[in-house]
Amino acid sequence: NAGVMQNPRHLVRRRGQEARLRCSPMKGHSHVYWYRQLPEEGLKFMVYLQKENIIDESGMPKERFSAEFPKEGPSILRIQQVVRGDSAAYFCASSRTGDGNTGELFFGEGSRLTVL
Amino acid sequence: QKEVEQNSGPLSVPEGAIASLNCTYSDRGSQSFFWYRQYSGKSPELIMFIYSNGDKEDGRFTAQLNKASQYVSLLIRDSQPSDSATYLCAVNAGYSSASKIIFGSGTRLSIRP
Repeated sequence: NAGVMQNPRHLVRRRGQEARLRCSPMKGHSHVYWYRQLPEEGLKFMVYLQKENIIDESGMPKERFSAEFPKEGPSILRIQQVVRGDSAAYFCASSRTGDGNTGELFFGEGSRLTVL
Repeated sequence: QKEVEQNSGPLSVPEGAIASLNCTYSDRGSQSFFWYRQYSGKSPELIMFIYSNGDKEDGRFTAQLNKASQYVSLLIRDSQPSDSATYLCAVNAGYSSASKIIFGSGTRLSIRP
């Protein structure tokens, strides 16, 4: 039973380019969370999605960032016109129930974005 | 005020002693509380969750919750060098069942032999 799969594991972009990070949740999970982590810091919530719906995007910057979780295929976090401050590890987590009251989050290994 | 606050540490504890990690949260509507462990360069993994006031024990780990004080703690008994990691406190945010899970900034724990 495969865990949460994220790719790419490492991504290097130049300023102004686009970054696309993909996340396939665990089998049977239909709820996906994206978090950003800077070195030596905690996980900062970005967005919470269910299939075809954004439930909560209060942690995601209004500009340049977008996320989707289509009916078929992985969830995608897209960062347009990247800047150096976007350099971070981006973790995806999935949950079976999506119920924040009971749902354990299973994390992927993260995608580490470096902006030159 | 941060939604979930933790002392960043590092917290240094001798091997075999009890490590005590603390966390406070601001949202009184939070119903679920989690402790995740994250080794350097790795992804977080769940070690404990607690929903009710009081203590919950699992092996060497005990989670304690006091909703009136908005306080959660994690005790690690008989600390081992392999317990050295960053411990992240997490809470669900809000009254809605479809709610996001917010993490604290983590406490770095170092177990010295």
